[in-house]
Amino acid sequence: ETGVTQSPTHLIKTRGQQVTLRCSSQSGHNTVSWYQQALGQGPQFIFQYYREEENGRGNFPPRFSGLQFPNYSSELNVNALELDDSALYLCASRTEFGTDTQYFGPGTRLTVL
Amino acid sequence: GQQVMQIPQYQHVQEGEDFTTYCNSSTTLSNIQWYKQRPGGHPVFLIQLVKSGEVKKQKRLTFQFGEAKKNSSLHITATQTTDVGTYFCAGVNDYKLSFGAGTTVTVRA
Repeated sequence: ETGVTQSPTHLIKTRGQQVTLRCSSQSGHNTVSWYQQALGQGPQFIFQYYREEENGRGNFPPRFSGLQFPNYSSELNVNALELDDSALYLCASRTEFGTDTQYFGPGTRLTVL
Repeated sequence: GQQVMQIPQYQHVQEGEDFTTYCNSSTTLSNIQWYKQRPGGHPVFLIQLVKSGEVKKQKRLTFQFGEAKKNSSLHITATQTTDVGTYFCAGVNDYKLSFGAGTTVTVRA
């Protein structure tokens, strides 16, 4: 196990609703990244947080937002859910050094109906 | 933006045989990482390659980084049923990982 935890494990929402996903980093890791993995695809980078600030973002609209807390845990918020948002959402934590290994959590499976 | 392509998409292997999966990037990479994801699981880090032409081995797995740092390969010898899963390469530039679509490996006993 990596020491990265995510909650909930599964979630079902309807179109237009809002969702919050949570991630607890591995001890000593101050950088968290979030990824979206659609079925049969590789993970796609959403954004990264370092010391409570967003410091990198992928090609995702503003309705995808996040937070990082002083204890380095993190949230991913998605507003106005769309059917295509159905995916496995992964968080990954690492130290601040860019080439360090990223440790992925088990993911949250989101289904939008 | 950066694109990472992997081939083949699917690899059906007889137990005991060897196979190779390939990864190509549209841009030069600072380094490349490989991950394995078992069915229903999450990506698990396997290895990172940093230097041009670098070759690293993990038991039956051999990873190679191209001289131009735009391609990489993973070669598995004497495939076992425990090798089942999807293998992803991920190019690293700046702060983010750009994953390929993966090679899904199934093994015939």
